[in-house]
Amino acid sequence: EAGVAQSPRYKIIEKRQSVAFWCNPISGHATLYWYQQILGQGPKLLIQFQNNGVVDDSQLPKDRFSAERLKGVDSTLKIQPAKLEDSAVYLCASSLGGGGEQYFGPGTRLTVT
Amino acid sequence: DQQVKQNSPSLSVQEGRISILNCDYTNSMFDYFLWYKKYPAEGPTFLISISSIKDKNEDGRFTVFLNKSAKHLSLHIVPSQPGDSAVYFCAASGSSGDKLTFGTGTRLAVRP
Repeated sequence: EAGVAQSPRYKIIEKRQSVAFWCNPISGHATLYWYQQILGQGPKLLIQFQNNGVVDDSQLPKDRFSAERLKGVDSTLKIQPAKLEDSAVYLCASSLGGGGEQYFGPGTRLTVT
Repeated sequence: DQQVKQNSPSLSVQEGRISILNCDYTNSMFDYFLWYKKYPAEGPTFLISISSIKDKNEDGRFTVFLNKSAKHLSLHIVPSQPGDSAVYFCAASGSSGDKLTFGTGTRLAVRP
Protein backbone atom coordinates (compact mmCIF):
# COMPACT_ATOMS: atom_id res chain seq x y z
CA GLU A 1 0.00 0.00 0.00
CA ALA A 2 1.43 3.38 -1.00
CA GLY A 3 1.95 5.88 1.79
CA VAL A 4 1.13 9.57 1.96
CA ALA A 5 2.92 11.44 -0.83
CA GLN A 6 4.07 15.04 -0.58
CA SER A 7 5.82 17.38 -2.97
CA PRO A 8 8.07 19.18 -3.20
CA ARG A 9 10.38 17.79 -0.52
CA TYR A 10 12.31 21.03 -0.18
CA LYS A 11 11.55 24.63 -1.09
CA ILE A 12 13.49 27.85 -0.61
CA ILE A 13 11.75 31.16 -1.24
CA GLU A 14 12.20 34.79 -0.32
CA LYS A 15 9.87 36.52 2.09
CA ARG A 16 6.73 37.95 0.53
CA GLN A 17 6.77 35.29 -2.19
CA SER A 18 4.07 32.64 -2.43
CA VAL A 19 4.44 28.86 -2.24
CA ALA A 20 2.21 25.82 -2.56
CA PHE A 21 2.55 22.29 -1.22
CA TRP A 22 0.78 19.21 -2.49
CA CYS A 23 -0.38 16.10 -0.66
CA ASN A 24 -1.83 12.83 -1.89
CA PRO A 25 -3.23 10.77 0.99
CA ILE A 26 -3.50 7.02 1.29
CA SER A 27 -6.24 5.71 -0.96
CA GLY A 28 -9.57 5.50 0.84
CA HIS A 29 -8.58 7.77 3.71
CA ALA A 30 -11.38 10.25 4.32
CA THR A 31 -9.55 12.50 6.75
CA LEU A 32 -6.58 14.64 5.79
CA TYR A 33 -4.46 16.85 8.05
CA TRP A 34 -1.84 19.54 7.50
CA TYR A 35 0.68 20.12 10.28
CA GLN A 36 3.43 22.71 10.71
CA GLN A 37 6.57 21.61 12.53
CA ILE A 38 8.95 24.41 13.46
CA LEU A 39 12.50 23.37 14.36
CA GLY A 40 12.68 22.12 17.94
CA GLN A 41 8.91 21.86 18.31
CA GLY A 42 6.31 19.18 17.80
CA PRO A 43 3.92 19.19 14.85
CA LYS A 44 1.06 21.67 15.18
CA LEU A 45 -2.24 21.02 13.43
CA LEU A 46 -3.11 23.70 10.88
CA ILE A 47 -6.20 22.26 9.23
CA GLN A 48 -8.23 19.04 9.14
CA PHE A 49 -10.45 17.92 6.25
CA GLN A 50 -13.13 15.25 6.31
CA ASN A 51 -13.57 14.32 2.65
CA ASN A 52 -13.62 17.78 1.02
CA GLY A 53 -15.04 19.68 3.99
CA VAL A 54 -13.07 21.56 6.65
CA VAL A 55 -13.47 20.09 10.16
CA ASP A 56 -11.00 22.29 12.04
CA ASP A 57 -8.95 25.27 10.85
CA SER A 58 -8.75 27.10 14.15
CA GLN A 59 -4.94 27.28 14.08
CA LEU A 60 -4.58 28.21 10.42
CA PRO A 61 -3.33 31.82 9.91
CA LYS A 62 -6.05 32.62 7.44
CA ASP A 63 -4.62 35.99 6.43
CA ARG A 64 -1.80 34.22 4.58
CA PHE A 65 -2.49 30.47 4.60
CA SER A 66 -5.13 28.68 2.58
CA ALA A 67 -5.86 25.04 1.90
CA GLU A 68 -8.24 23.08 -0.24
CA ARG A 69 -9.12 19.48 -0.85
CA LEU A 70 -11.02 19.32 -4.08
CA LYS A 71 -12.88 16.06 -4.79
CA GLY A 72 -11.97 14.80 -1.34
CA VAL A 73 -8.63 13.32 -2.39
CA ASP A 74 -5.52 15.46 -3.03
CA SER A 75 -4.92 18.62 -1.08
CA THR A 76 -2.86 21.78 -1.52
CA LEU A 77 -1.64 24.17 1.15
CA LYS A 78 -0.67 27.68 0.06
CA ILE A 79 1.18 30.50 1.78
CA GLN A 80 0.90 33.98 0.35
CA PRO A 81 2.85 36.06 1.21
CA ALA A 82 5.44 34.06 3.14
CA LYS A 83 7.16 35.38 6.25
CA LEU A 84 10.48 34.37 7.79
CA GLU A 85 8.64 32.66 10.65
CA ASP A 86 6.93 30.31 8.18
CA SER A 87 10.20 28.39 7.83
CA ALA A 88 9.24 24.89 8.97
CA VAL A 89 8.47 21.37 7.83
CA TYR A 90 4.92 21.02 6.56
CA LEU A 91 3.55 17.56 7.19
CA CYS A 92 0.49 16.00 5.63
CA ALA A 93 -1.24 13.07 7.30
CA SER A 94 -4.29 10.99 6.53
CA SER A 95 -6.53 8.57 8.37
CA LEU A 96 -9.61 6.48 7.73
CA GLY A 97 -11.43 8.89 10.03
CA GLY A 98 -13.20 8.58 13.34
CA GLY A 99 -10.02 9.02 15.32
CA GLY A 100 -8.12 6.30 13.51
CA GLU A 101 -4.34 6.16 13.30
CA GLN A 102 -2.80 9.03 11.37
CA TYR A 103 -0.24 8.19 8.70
CA PHE A 104 2.25 10.93 7.91
CA GLY A 105 4.00 11.84 4.71
CA PRO A 106 7.72 12.74 4.61
CA GLY A 107 7.00 16.47 4.76
CA THR A 108 8.08 19.54 2.82
CA ARG A 109 10.91 21.56 4.33
CA LEU A 110 10.30 25.26 3.63
CA THR A 111 13.01 27.86 4.11
CA VAL A 112 12.01 31.51 3.84
CA THR A 113 14.95 33.89 3.42
CA ASP B 1 0.53 27.34 26.21
CA GLN B 2 2.28 23.98 25.98
CA GLN B 3 -0.40 21.43 26.84
CA VAL B 4 1.87 18.43 26.21
CA LYS B 5 5.41 18.62 27.55
CA GLN B 6 8.45 16.47 27.06
CA ASN B 7 10.99 17.99 29.39
CA SER B 8 13.96 15.90 28.29
CA PRO B 9 15.15 16.98 24.85
CA SER B 10 17.57 14.06 24.62
CA LEU B 11 18.35 10.68 26.16
CA SER B 12 21.30 8.33 25.66
CA VAL B 13 21.05 4.65 26.59
CA GLN B 14 23.29 1.61 26.22
CA GLU B 15 22.07 -1.13 23.88
CA GLY B 16 20.15 -3.81 25.77
CA ARG B 17 19.18 -1.50 28.61
CA ILE B 18 15.81 0.12 29.26
CA SER B 19 14.88 3.46 27.71
CA ILE B 20 12.29 5.53 29.56
CA LEU B 21 10.78 8.55 27.86
CA ASN B 22 8.49 10.82 29.83
CA CYS B 23 5.59 13.09 28.94
CA ASP B 24 3.38 15.40 31.00
CA TYR B 25 0.11 17.04 30.02
CA THR B 26 -2.03 19.79 31.49
CA ASN B 27 -5.38 19.42 29.74
CA SER B 28 -7.66 17.11 31.74
CA MET B 29 -9.91 16.73 28.68
CA PHE B 30 -7.30 14.63 26.93
CA ASP B 31 -8.59 11.09 26.63
CA TYR B 32 -6.22 9.30 24.31
CA PHE B 33 -2.45 9.31 24.22
CA LEU B 34 -0.03 8.22 21.55
CA TRP B 35 3.69 7.90 20.92
CA TYR B 36 5.17 8.57 17.51
CA LYS B 37 8.69 7.83 16.33
CA LYS B 38 10.46 9.99 13.77
CA TYR B 39 13.60 9.30 11.76
CA PRO B 40 15.40 12.16 9.95
CA ALA B 41 13.78 13.26 6.68
CA GLU B 42 10.75 11.06 7.33
CA GLY B 43 7.32 11.75 8.76
CA PRO B 44 6.38 10.53 12.23
CA THR B 45 5.19 6.92 12.46
CA PHE B 46 2.73 5.63 15.02
CA LEU B 47 4.26 3.48 17.72
CA ILE B 48 1.79 2.76 20.50
CA SER B 49 -1.24 4.33 22.16
CA ILE B 50 -3.25 4.17 25.35
CA SER B 51 -6.78 5.16 26.27
CA SER B 52 -7.47 6.97 29.52
CA ILE B 53 -9.45 3.99 30.81
CA LYS B 54 -6.24 1.96 30.96
CA ASP B 55 -3.01 2.48 32.86
CA LYS B 56 -0.78 0.25 30.76
CA ASN B 57 -0.51 -0.95 27.20
CA GLU B 58 2.16 -3.27 25.91
CA ASP B 59 3.31 -4.11 22.38
CA GLY B 60 6.43 -6.23 22.15
CA ARG B 61 9.39 -4.25 23.47
CA PHE B 62 7.27 -1.12 23.93
CA THR B 63 5.09 -0.37 26.95
CA VAL B 64 3.23 2.84 27.70
CA PHE B 65 2.16 3.70 31.24
CA LEU B 66 -0.46 6.31 32.08
CA ASN B 67 -0.89 7.99 35.47
CA LYS B 68 -4.02 10.12 35.12
CA SER B 69 -3.87 11.64 38.57
CA ALA B 70 -0.36 12.93 37.87
CA LYS B 71 -1.18 13.73 34.21
CA HIS B 72 1.93 11.80 33.25
CA LEU B 73 2.74 9.08 30.79
CA SER B 74 5.91 7.24 29.95
CA LEU B 75 7.20 4.99 27.20
CA HIS B 76 9.45 2.09 28.15
CA ILE B 77 11.58 0.34 25.54
CA VAL B 78 13.11 -2.94 26.68
CA PRO B 79 15.62 -3.97 25.50
CA SER B 80 16.78 -0.89 23.62
CA GLN B 81 18.32 -1.44 20.18
CA PRO B 82 20.43 0.90 18.00
CA GLY B 83 17.55 1.00 15.47
CA ASP B 84 15.43 2.66 18.14
CA SER B 85 17.57 5.79 17.83
CA ALA B 86 15.10 8.46 16.70
CA VAL B 87 13.02 11.37 17.96
CA TYR B 88 9.99 10.29 19.98
CA PHE B 89 6.90 12.48 20.19
CA CYS B 90 4.18 12.17 22.76
CA ALA B 91 0.72 13.25 21.53
CA ALA B 92 -2.71 13.57 23.09
CA SER B 93 -6.26 14.03 21.89
CA GLY B 94 -9.81 14.22 23.15
CA SER B 95 -12.23 11.31 22.98
CA SER B 96 -12.61 11.68 19.22
CA GLY B 97 -8.98 10.73 18.79
CA ASP B 98 -8.75 13.24 16.00
CA LYS B 99 -7.04 16.53 16.86
CA LEU B 100 -3.58 15.62 18.11
CA THR B 101 -1.52 17.92 20.32
CA PHE B 102 2.15 17.00 20.20
CA GLY B 103 4.98 17.47 22.66
CA THR B 104 8.35 18.86 21.58
CA GLY B 105 9.99 15.46 21.27
CA THR B 106 12.85 13.56 22.91
CA ARG B 107 15.84 12.47 20.86
CA LEU B 108 16.86 8.94 21.88
CA ALA B 109 20.34 7.66 21.09
CA VAL B 110 21.00 3.97 21.74
CA ARG B 111 24.74 3.26 21.95
CA PRO B 112 26.00 -0.10 20.65
